[in-house]
Amino acid sequence: AQTVTQSQPEMSVQEAETVTLSCTYDTSESDYYLFWYKQPPSRQMILVIRQEAYKQQNATENRFSVNFQKAAKSFSLKISDSQLGDAAMYFCAKVGSYNQGGKLIFGQGTELSVKP
Amino acid sequence: KAGVTQTPRYLIKTRGQQVTLSCSPISGHRSVSWYQQTPGQGLQFLFEYFSETQRNKGNFPGRFSGRQFSNSRSEMNVSTLELGDSALYLCASSSEGFHNTEAFFGQGTRLTVV
Repeated sequence: AQTVTQSQPEMSVQEAETVTLSCTYDTSESDYYLFWYKQPPSRQMILVIRQEAYKQQNATENRFSVNFQKAAKSFSLKISDSQLGDAAMYFCAKVGSYNQGGKLIFGQGTELSVKP
Repeated sequence: KAGVTQTPRYLIKTRGQQVTLSCSPISGHRSVSWYQQTPGQGLQFLFEYFSETQRNKGNFPGRFSGRQFSNSRSEMNVSTLELGDSALYLCASSSEGFHNTEAFFGQGTRLTVV
């Protein structure tokens, strides 16, 4: 079975500093997509960043970037210049091949707190 | 453009009853997937509908079912509710799935079974 593992249930960062959230996954597929989602207290799931497995270049979105290590099946999220609004639950997720396109497998989540 | 709309937002039901939740996707989106979120089990995939056909199914008992209409709106039904069905139910819509198009989530339906 495909699994996504986030080993850090909670993380804390000082405002303006950098934090890295870890994620590992298990798959036998060569083509898949990886995501980081943010879920604030409102419970609205918001896409932070996504990575296509066949692209070697790490994805970046403003202050958010990933370190994608395909061979190691690792997909960490780096948040630079952390802001108070970054405080939320962060989920790592994976989707497989085309016919599994609507089936997102989530990790357990990492709750990020940002200290002023 | 309007986002993904889930109704109702909150629901309280009694054990043994049945419930229907609705998800209206973004216009033009053909894929709707459903997820159950609980503190103990996290986010779990229920099923996905694509162009009115169930394309994927998670590991939930047969009490959980769904359907999709020609306008892509989707409903999920839970029969014979159990206390453990209390959860936040999220739906997501996309044009074809998460893999090559952006998907958007609704705000969820909070179901409480008493």
